[in-house]
Amino acid sequence: GQNIDQPTEMTATEGAIVQINCTYQTSGFNGLFWYQQHAGEAPTFLSYNVLDGLEEKGRFSSFLSRSKGYSYLLLKELQMKDSASYLCAVTDSHYQLIWGAGTKLIIKP
Amino acid sequence: IAGITQAPTSQILAAGRRMTLRCTQDMRHNAMYWYRQDLGLGLRLIHYSNTAGTTGKGEVPDGYSVSRANTDDFPLTLASAVPSQTSVYFCASSDGGTGNGNEQFFGPGTRLTVL
Repeated sequence: GQNIDQPTEMTATEGAIVQINCTYQTSGFNGLFWYQQHAGEAPTFLSYNVLDGLEEKGRFSSFLSRSKGYSYLLLKELQMKDSASYLCAVTDSHYQLIWGAGTKLIIKP
Repeated sequence: IAGITQAPTSQILAAGRRMTLRCTQDMRHNAMYWYRQDLGLGLRLIHYSNTAGTTGKGEVPDGYSVSRANTDDFPLTLASAVPSQTSVYFCASSDGGTGNGNEQFFGPGTRLTVL
């Protein structure tokens, strides 16, 4: 079966750094996405990785290891507006996205 | 219209009724998708369309149907609603398939309650 695992909830402090992990087991792999979803809103795109390594985009970075079936999203200089759910999704062999349940990130002052 | 819109925003529906959720995009994207999102579960694909005139089944298609008569519109129909279809429904679109890293753009969602 296909499976994507993420922690259900994490808490971090404003100004700090947090790493959200994602492990996956899917039928094929054609890339991994991270999306942000604020409560009651639609998901919005953050990053895409298809090759091993780190992709940096401002305060957010995403890492991929295909051999380990592992990715993480790194958020630096946390702000209160970063309080949201972070969704990991993998494109499988049929080119459809398989989504994790999401990690709810709570930022405390 | 800017981006992707959905209607209605929310709906309470009696079991057994027919319901169509509307989705329209103005980005001229080829691909469109319908997802449902339930607490504690990831987004699950219901149906998709890679281009106007074609549709395909996703992970949870039973009880739902779609059509894609043109590029912009992708309605989702529940022929006879059941309480297990209570969920938040998101429509999304992308310029090409996700295999090339094309991000999906999501509509604001429709919150559906079936009693």
